[in-house]
Amino acid sequence: QITLKESGPTLVKPTQTLTLTCTFSGFSLSTGGETVAWIRQPPGEALEWLALINWADDKRYSPSLKSRLTITKDTSKNQVVLTMANMDPVDTATFYCAHRQRGRGRIDAWGQGTLVTVSS
Amino acid sequence: SYVLTQPPSVSVAPGQTARITCGGNNIDSKSVHWYQQKPGQAPLMVVYDDSGRPSGIPERFYGSNSGNAATLTISRVEAGDEAAYYCQVWDIISDHLVFGGGTKLTVL
Repeated sequence: QITLKESGPTLVKPTQTLTLTCTFSGFSLSTGGETVAWIRQPPGEALEWLALINWADDKRYSPSLKSRLTITKDTSKNQVVLTMANMDPVDTATFYCAHRQRGRGRIDAWGQGTLVTVSS
Repeated sequence: SYVLTQPPSVSVAPGQTARITCGGNNIDSKSVHWYQQKPGQAPLMVVYDDSGRPSGIPERFYGSNSGNAATLTISRVEAGDEAAYYCQVWDIISDHLVFGGGTKLTVL
């Protein structure tokens, strides 16, 4: 069974850098085909894909946010870290990490999500 | 980048059939996945690869994909189906995930 859990600050100030950690179990990011993605959702709004990283350390970013995002993995700890620079109040959202099914384009497991508020 | 378009809202009476569309350029060349999201919960996949149904999802949920639109159909709608529904595809060339804007299903 695959599980994922997000952790990080619930409140950040404008211009600060957000760092979120996804800790997962039930798979290994050293196994071929495995991928972890980050997705966010502002209150009352739609899901928005942010970034993904795969077993080969290939990284992909949303074109609209690419300049602000960095995704990394620590295979030994079963963790994926997302940083988002220069946070703004419009970035207030629930952030989800998720598992993309091996070799497929679909998300078959989601974390519970963590709400991050950007406010001074 | 690839864009998916969904109607903001769909309303249906209990027992009727709800149809939620997801438009995209030649979307039938892609595999479309659908997620249900209830307030305060993470999304849950209800249809994968256009018309597949994950274990535990009622047969009332089924999908189709043709031309420039994919459709999630929910038959015999129940009050518990009230939720937001999102379509999603994988842009294989760029290895990006794309979500639609979501559709709020209201059960009257």
